[in-house]
Amino acid sequence: NAGVTQTPKFQVLKTGQSMTLQCAQDMNHNSMYWYRQDPGMGLRLIYYSASEGTTDKGEVPNGYNVSRLNKREFSLRLESAAPSQTSVYFCASSERTSGGVTSSYEQYFGPGTRLTVT
Amino acid sequence: GESVGLHLPTLSVQEGDNSIINCAYSNSASDYFIWYKQESGKGPQFIIDIRSNMDKRQGQRVTVLLNKTVKHLSLQIAATQPGDSAVYFCAENLLTGGGNKLTFGTGTQLKVEL
Repeated sequence: NAGVTQTPKFQVLKTGQSMTLQCAQDMNHNSMYWYRQDPGMGLRLIYYSASEGTTDKGEVPNGYNVSRLNKREFSLRLESAAPSQTSVYFCASSERTSGGVTSSYEQYFGPGTRLTVT
Repeated sequence: GESVGLHLPTLSVQEGDNSIINCAYSNSASDYFIWYKQESGKGPQFIIDIRSNMDKRQGQRVTVLLNKTVKHLSLQIAATQPGDSAVYFCAENLLTGGGNKLTFGTGTQLKVEL
């Protein structure tokens, strides 16, 4: 199992250009997420998809759109990139699991896409 | 102009000592908490989790303590090793009708000195 994969690993854009970040998971998870991580900060949720066919805004959705293409794939699109969108973008997936006295909501993360907008 | 990034809180420990990383969470309704480890250039990696109906959970060399009264979470790492050097994040989960959403803290940089 590859887990969560993301493409590309690195990208440089000029202000105003558009691009799509791709994410795929092979764990048959229902939920998928997009986060951004800025230097010295934690992860902030951009959008998430609780299940195939649904998407919802997270904490910082402005300037982004998402598509849940199927159960495996969840893409993030920047229509008109801005320098403020320079960041590292992580995709994650999760499935609630039950085991003994606890349930797990663990999210599994991809390796990230490092995006620079000049 | 030059931008100044935020500096993460840093904890420096000697190899072999125990490490304690602390985290304050914000929502008293959060029902689940996770600690993640993030090495440089990689995505976060699950370490251990705990539900709100527990106050302690142990894993291999790690223990998480939860104090709901003061909304405080801690991660204890026993016999810290150089491979433990990383940024550690706590995250709180609030289960919504649409699935779970994690809110992450800003992280603590753990440096293990030989």
